[in-house]
Amino acid sequence: DTAVSQTPKYLVTQMGNDKSIKCEQNLGHDTMYWYKQDSKKFLKIMFSYNNKELIINETVPNRFSPKSPDKAHLNLHINSLELGDSAVYFCASNQWGNEQFFGPGTRLTVL
Amino acid sequence: GENVEQHPSTLSVQEGDSAVIKCTYSDSASNYFPWYKQELGKGPQLIIDIRSNVGEKKDQRIAVTLNKTAKHFSLHITETQPEDSAVYFCAATIPGAGGGADGLTFGKGTHLIIQP
Repeated sequence: DTAVSQTPKYLVTQMGNDKSIKCEQNLGHDTMYWYKQDSKKFLKIMFSYNNKELIINETVPNRFSPKSPDKAHLNLHINSLELGDSAVYFCASNQWGNEQFFGPGTRLTVL
Repeated sequence: GENVEQHPSTLSVQEGDSAVIKCTYSDSASNYFPWYKQELGKGPQLIIDIRSNVGEKKDQRIAVTLNKTAKHFSLHITETQPEDSAVYFCAATIPGAGGGADGLTFGKGTHLIIQP
């Protein structure tokens, strides 16, 4: 069974479009995260959700909005996509103070 | 906020030799230091972690050391094998409000190449 899954794996879209990436975890974890990995492989935290409450919101443009319908899901919505949004986006989850488990990533390409 | 520096960016070693990757962090309140391995096209996977109340931890061929005073920690891989080739990331917690919702601050990664 996949612990943290993301869909889609690849996403190619035009500038200005709105898109969503879905994330699900079946580990029963309380906290979920979104990370962005740029073309130089640099990983940076974007958001985290703990019990449906936003805990961390780094300096991310408000075009990005996380949405959590329940504890097992944290989706990422992106409005008005820009070229600079092209990256690999990773979802992760953990239980208080413990190892974060990462999903396989979604490669977003904005043309 | 926390800042994590990682060196070297690329490390090439002969199969069977040891590899060492070093990281420093800036925030003395950081208390959790994981190491992740990322293979091509995959998500990062935890290989070992250490908490601030421990100075060293070992798991078979992998070990991590932590020097809180100097604010640096290192990954040691002994008897390297071809399957160890990957990108390795160190990380530290961002001290948060608690509840486990502490996003990781990552170093910039080390591309480890094992030469046959």
